[in-house]
Amino acid sequence: AQKITQTQPGMFVQEKEAVTLDCTYDTSDQSYGLFWYKQPSSGEMIFLIYQGSYDEQNATEGRYSLNFQKARKSANLVISASQLGDSAMYFCAMREGGQAGTALIFGKGTTLSVSS
Amino acid sequence: ETGVTQTPRHLVMGMTNKKSLKCEQHLGHNAMYWYKQSAKKPLELMFVYSLEERVENNSVPSRFSPECPNSSHLFLHLHTLQPEDSALYLCASSQVLGAGEWDIQYFGAGTRLSVL
Repeated sequence: AQKITQTQPGMFVQEKEAVTLDCTYDTSDQSYGLFWYKQPSSGEMIFLIYQGSYDEQNATEGRYSLNFQKARKSANLVISASQLGDSAMYFCAMREGGQAGTALIFGKGTTLSVSS
Repeated sequence: ETGVTQTPRHLVMGMTNKKSLKCEQHLGHNAMYWYKQSAKKPLELMFVYSLEERVENNSVPSRFSPECPNSSHLFLHLHTLQPEDSALYLCASSQVLGAGEWDIQYFGAGTRLSVL
């Protein structure tokens, strides 16, 4: 079974609109972290935001917020006021357990296209 | 200077060649990672070095050989590769924290490898 599922292969949005990228996860651990990365065509993976499983408040970083619904096992990324530079591939990832320095498990990604 | 630098950015090699990928991090981190990103597949962890010791190799074929001479440098030595090894190879680093604390992995721009 997939640990991280991103069901939207591609999303299209106009500049200045908000967009939600979906992510569901599967784990039996109580302690885990959820991360979102952006990958432009240049290839670099850029860290955007993270949420720990024990964090009660949804994480926010500038125009990015993470809509964490623990019971539904979802961790959707919300980008407010989209910009042309937001066009990229977006990956949801998870780390399980309390041990640091372990692997990120990635989803297959969602391609976001922002138009003017 | 970017936090994680990978060289070369592009590499074309024959199946009988020997080459090395280099990664250098300027963030003072104590863990480094190699990931492989193949077309239409999620990123896969290849190797983790934490405090300069390898902690996971994830059943990677022996034609890939990592080396971590110090906490700032990571190499991936390649020999007798196969065409299916063509992919984007991403290096990441993080600062391993205490148990239950989530370290953020920061990535380089990757080396795009083509095996002919």
